[in-house]
Amino acid sequence: KAGVTQTPRYLIKTRGQQVTLSCSPISGHRSVSWYQQTPGQGLQFLFEYFSETQRNKGNFPGRFSGRQFSNSRSEMNVSTLELGDSALYLCASRPGTADYGYTFGSGTRLTVV
Amino acid sequence: AQTVTQSQPEMSVQEAETVTLSCTYDTSENNYYLFWYKQPPSRQMILVIRQEAYKQQNATENRFSVNFQKAAKSFSLKISDSQLGDTAMYFCAFMNANTPLVFGKGTRLSVIA
Repeated sequence: KAGVTQTPRYLIKTRGQQVTLSCSPISGHRSVSWYQQTPGQGLQFLFEYFSETQRNKGNFPGRFSGRQFSNSRSEMNVSTLELGDSALYLCASRPGTADYGYTFGSGTRLTVV
Repeated sequence: AQTVTQSQPEMSVQEAETVTLSCTYDTSENNYYLFWYKQPPSRQMILVIRQEAYKQQNATENRFSVNFQKAAKSFSLKISDSQLGDTAMYFCAFMNANTPLVFGKGTRLSVIA
């Protein structure tokens, strides 16, 4: 059974640009969550999607957005990139919102220069 | 809001010895789940062990066990017979039915040969 797949693994972008990260959950998992990991702030929750609907949202500016498709794949978008957006972005999936077994991907390392 | 505190930023242990990582949390909820995740240099967050708050019995997974003290809001992880492959960042995390995973800042564990 394939795990959670995140693409790309590494990304370098310039300030002011926008970026889209992709996450393919485990087959059958309908819930996808996104986390930002930085040395200073640790792991912070961005948002969770379930059946194409945003179920929960963390305390991030509107430049951070996401969506989920009918096949449960999810994308997150960051517009007008800032240096402080440099981080590891982790995606996690679980079968449903009543299930507590999150499985994480290996993340996308975003560097903003 | 729920918070998770890991008071040991770094720890080291000799191979084959036992080490205990500390975690405390704050919540007013009665039903919740607690987790320990391991993040090796490969970046993927791996679930080590989980504990349901309504279960009094401490969870165990092979060499990993927890000491769950609900009244004290304490959730420590004991690693027995430490192996070089246990070297990683360890994160304590909390969640309940209405909130996403909330992580502590992590403890960097080094296993020394």
